[in-house]
Amino acid sequence: GNSVTQMEGPVTLSEEAFLTINCTYTATGYPSLFWYVQYPGEGLQLLLKATKADDKGSNKGFEATYRKETTSFHLEKGSVQVSDSAVYFCALLNDYKLSFGAGTTVTVRA
Amino acid sequence: DGGITQSPKYLFRKEGQNVTLSCEQNLNHDAMYWYRQDPGQGLRLIYYSQIVNDFQKGDIAEGYSVSREKKESFPLTVTSAQKNPTAFYLCASDLGGRAYNEQFFGPGTRLTVL
Repeated sequence: GNSVTQMEGPVTLSEEAFLTINCTYTATGYPSLFWYVQYPGEGLQLLLKATKADDKGSNKGFEATYRKETTSFHLEKGSVQVSDSAVYFCALLNDYKLSFGAGTTVTVRA
Repeated sequence: DGGITQSPKYLFRKEGQNVTLSCEQNLNHDAMYWYRQDPGQGLRLIYYSQIVNDFQKGDIAEGYSVSREKKESFPLTVTSAQKNPTAFYLCASDLGGRAYNEQFFGPGTRLTVL
């Protein structure tokens, strides 16, 4: 079956710090991979995606590379801002179904 | 503006009562989904519909029911058979089909059973 494992939080950082959230997956076939972000009290928004191996998704300074050899899709940002405080979900799409990780809460302090 | 609306934002229900959560989209999407979010557990799929008048159970369908009479609407009923209904419920939609498609999410409904 399909599953996603992401690092547990919460993660607390200072502004301008480097952020990494690890994500690994198990899937049959060739899934597409996503990072979604959820701001307090809101639904999920797509942050970035990669649809095949070695693709790099990027948006708003965040990046993630689809690594088939390590079955990983780690999220990184070089310099976080207070506005990046949110819950981040790694997800995979396989056979039209999305499977989500448990989410990682990130808090950025000024 | 195109998007997904869910109503109400907050919903309270007494034990033993059924309650229906609304989800409407004007994105002309064929597929719609309902997820449940609990703290520390990510999202779990309740029901999904790839086309009007058709829907399938997701991973945690027990105690829930849905209908898909119109393309734009996919209401979810939380029945009294659902043993732990207090949660945040998210509706989503996409173009449908087996190919990669981004799912768009609504703002969610927080249901509390008193």
